[in-house]
Amino acid sequence: AQTVTQSQPEMSVQEAETVTLSCTYDTSESNYYLFWYKQPPSRQMILVIRQEAYKQQNATENRFSVNFQKAAKSFSLKISDSQLGDTAMYFCAFMTASKLTFGTGTRLQVTL
Amino acid sequence: DVKVTQSSRYLVKRTGEKVFLECVQDMDHENMFWYRQDPGLGLRLIYFSYDVKMKEKGDIPEGYSVSREKKERFSLILESASTNQTSMYLCASSQGASQPQHFGDGTRLSIL
Repeated sequence: AQTVTQSQPEMSVQEAETVTLSCTYDTSESNYYLFWYKQPPSRQMILVIRQEAYKQQNATENRFSVNFQKAAKSFSLKISDSQLGDTAMYFCAFMTASKLTFGTGTRLQVTL
Repeated sequence: DVKVTQSSRYLVKRTGEKVFLECVQDMDHENMFWYRQDPGLGLRLIYFSYDVKMKEKGDIPEGYSVSREKKERFSLILESASTNQTSMYLCASSQGASQPQHFGDGTRLSIL
């Protein structure tokens, strides 16, 4: 069975600063995908970024980037130039055979 | 853009009632999923479906059933609602084994 661990229940960052959210996972699978989803107060889950396990290059989407360490089974999310609109719950998720396993989430608050 | 629509944003029901939560997607996706989201537990998979009339149990199927009579519609059924089923319910869909899931806005269900 796959498990996903997010060890930071809550984090806070000032506007324009950089913050890193951590995520580790455990699996015996060799072919899988990793995701970060964002859930703002509006409740809709929004895909932030996606990483294929077979790719060594870290995924990047504008201000969002990941540090994927396959051997360590670590998948952290870095948010640069944080904005107030980044305030949300962030979930790390592992996917194999179309099924997602989620971590428990990190609540990020961006402050002025 | 993919649109996943859940029939109710808020729902209040009584213990013992049969409850139906409806989900419709407009992108002809093969896969559909039902999750429940509870504070501190993240999202947990209840049931999923890879095709019409096909269903698979997720991690927490007890007390729930599902129906998929048409490709675009996936219903979650609480056969006899209980207070421990008070939760946020999220529906999602995806196309293919490697594609990200797209989520609806969620239904906050209260069982009194």
